Amino acid sequence: EAGVTQSPTHLIKTRGQQATLRCSPISGHTSVYWYQQALGLGLQFLLWYDEGEERNRGNFPPRFSGRQFPNYSSELNVNALELEDSALYLCASSWTAYNEQFFGPGTRLTVL
Amino acid sequence: AQKITQTQPGMFVQEKEAVTLDCTYDTSDPSYGLFWYKQPSSGEMIFLIYQGSYDQQNATEGRYSLNFQKARKSANLVISASQLGDSAMYFCAMRVTGANSKLTFGKGITLSVRP
Repeated sequence: EAGVTQSPTHLIKTRGQQATLRCSPISGHTSVYWYQQALGLGLQFLLWYDEGEERNRGNFPPRFSGRQFPNYSSELNVNALELEDSALYLCASSWTAYNEQFFGPGTRLTVL
Repeated sequence: AQKITQTQPGMFVQEKEAVTLDCTYDTSDPSYGLFWYKQPSSGEMIFLIYQGSYDQQNATEGRYSLNFQKARKSANLVISASQLGDSAMYFCAMRVTGANSKLTFGKGITLSVRP
């Protein structure tokens, strides 16, 4: 069974640009979560999607947004990139909101 | 609000010995779940073990066991018979049951296994 996949593995952008990160959940999982792991700040919850709807978001500005597609894959968009957005972005999926979350390998975003 | 505290500095253990990684948590919600994840240098978060707040017995998964002390609000991870491949960062996390399904993570503990 394939795990959670994320693309791209690495992404380099400059300040002010937009970044798009993609995630495919484990087959059968309907919930997708996004987390940011910045150096020294630990893992911070970003967004939760379930059945195509945004169910919850963390304490991040509106320029962090995303969506979930009918096949349950998800996209995270970060607009107007800032240097401090440089981090590892991890996507996770779960069968339901009450099951354990399984993580993908992450996308490392570097903003220059 | 939920909080996870992991205060141990980097931990070292000899291969084949057992090690305990500490985790304390704080929540006012009576229904919650506690998780441990392992993050090797590759970056991927690997799910290790889960303990529900109403579970009567401590969770075990192979070499991993969770020492759950509800009154003390602690959920320590015990790794038995450490292996070199156990060297990684370990995160304790909590999820409060309900509409808010996010995981709240601690800052993590670095474990190094010595040969």
